[in-house]
Amino acid sequence: AQSVTQPDIHITVSEGASLELRCNYSYGATPYLFWYVQSPGQGLQLLLKYFSGDTLVQGIKGFEAEFKRSQSSFNLRKPSVHWSDAAEYFCAVGAHTGGFKTIFGAGTRLFVKA
Amino acid sequence: EPEVTQTPSHQVTQMGQEVILRCVPISNHLYFYWYRQILGQKVEFLVSFYNNEISEKSEIFDDQFSVERPDGSNFTLKIRSTKLEDSAMYFCASKSKPNTGELFFGEGSRLTVL
Repeated sequence: AQSVTQPDIHITVSEGASLELRCNYSYGATPYLFWYVQSPGQGLQLLLKYFSGDTLVQGIKGFEAEFKRSQSSFNLRKPSVHWSDAAEYFCAVGAHTGGFKTIFGAGTRLFVKA
Repeated sequence: EPEVTQTPSHQVTQMGQEVILRCVPISNHLYFYWYRQILGQKVEFLVSFYNNEISEKSEIFDDQFSVERPDGSNFTLKIRSTKLEDSAMYFCASKSKPNTGELFFGEGSRLTVL
């Protein structure tokens, strides 16, 4: 069964500072990995995804993530955070079989201070 | 841009009542999902639906829950005899491809059970 761990419940960064959100996954095969963002009262929006190939993937809003198989990690990064990036971020892993469900981590809430 | 729509946005019900949450997935999508998010907690998989039948369900999706695709556009989640602990945000999602497809989420239906 797949699972996702996001070790940081919340993170606070200053506007303009760099950001890294951690994600570790568990899955028996090559994982399909995603990062979603949720603003308060909203649904989830896809930031980026990894299926195969280049382990550094680019997403929307200036985000990128790097897949490291040896560490079972898929950390999300942004070089310079904007106040509008304050939101909840979810790492997720997609299954290859069955209902092809996507399982989400517990989320990391990002606070941005001026 | 096509989107997943959910109704109602908020429903308040008495414990023991039946609730139906409605979703209109993106029209060319074939894989449909319901997720639940209790306030401040993770996004939890409930059920996946494909080809007019449930393809996978979680432990949460017990006999009080059911899903249906009554016509070519709607996808419903019925909760029989609601309990206090069913209070949550319920998200519908859909995708076009089974494993590598991006999940598109609706804005959610907030259910409050009194």
